[in-house]
Amino acid sequence: AQSVTQPDIHITVSEGASLELRCNYSYGATPYLFWYVQSPGQGLQLLLKYFSGDTLVQGIKGFEAEFKRSQSSFNLRKPSVHWSDAAEYFCAVGYTGGFKTIFGAGTRLFVKA
Amino acid sequence: DVKVTQSSRYLVKRTGEKVFLECVQDMDHENMFWYRQDPGLGLRLIYFSYDVKMKEKGDIPEGYSVSREKKERFSLILESASTNQTSMYLCASSLTPWTSGYEQYFGPGTRLTVT
Repeated sequence: AQSVTQPDIHITVSEGASLELRCNYSYGATPYLFWYVQSPGQGLQLLLKYFSGDTLVQGIKGFEAEFKRSQSSFNLRKPSVHWSDAAEYFCAVGYTGGFKTIFGAGTRLFVKA
Repeated sequence: DVKVTQSSRYLVKRTGEKVFLECVQDMDHENMFWYRQDPGLGLRLIYFSYDVKMKEKGDIPEGYSVSREKKERFSLILESASTNQTSMYLCASSLTPWTSGYEQYFGPGTRLTVT
């Protein structure tokens, strides 16, 4: 069965430091991959997505993610974190022929001054 | 911009009550979804609809039903609310039927407390 793992429940980084959030998925073929962000009290907003082609994808708010097939990973990165990036981040996977998107458990990001 | 609205941000109901959660999207999307979000569990799909009057069960449909009489509106019904249904409920929509390859647009959520 398809699954998504976000190994880190929460991460704390200093403002201005770099960030990497990890995501691993389980699926036999090339999946559709997404990162969503949820600010406090809000719904989820799409940061970026990967369907095919260049394995390094750029998203909104200065985020990027890299698809690594050999590692079944789709890690999210940002070179310099801002206090407004404090939120919960969800990795999600869709698959060919399926209607369901599978979400990871989420990683909560704390940013310290 | 796509907008997904949910009828209530916060709701408090008593055990045994019938509860209606309403969701409306304004972008003529085919697909609509209901999720519940619980800490440490991420989002779990309750029901999915790919057309008016069409629905599919998700991962946790027990205790819930849905209604989609109009394309833009998707309702979640708790037939007899129980305390274990206390949760955040998120509605979402996406453009194309029967594919998970499109992004979903989410409403702000309804935090339901059942006492």
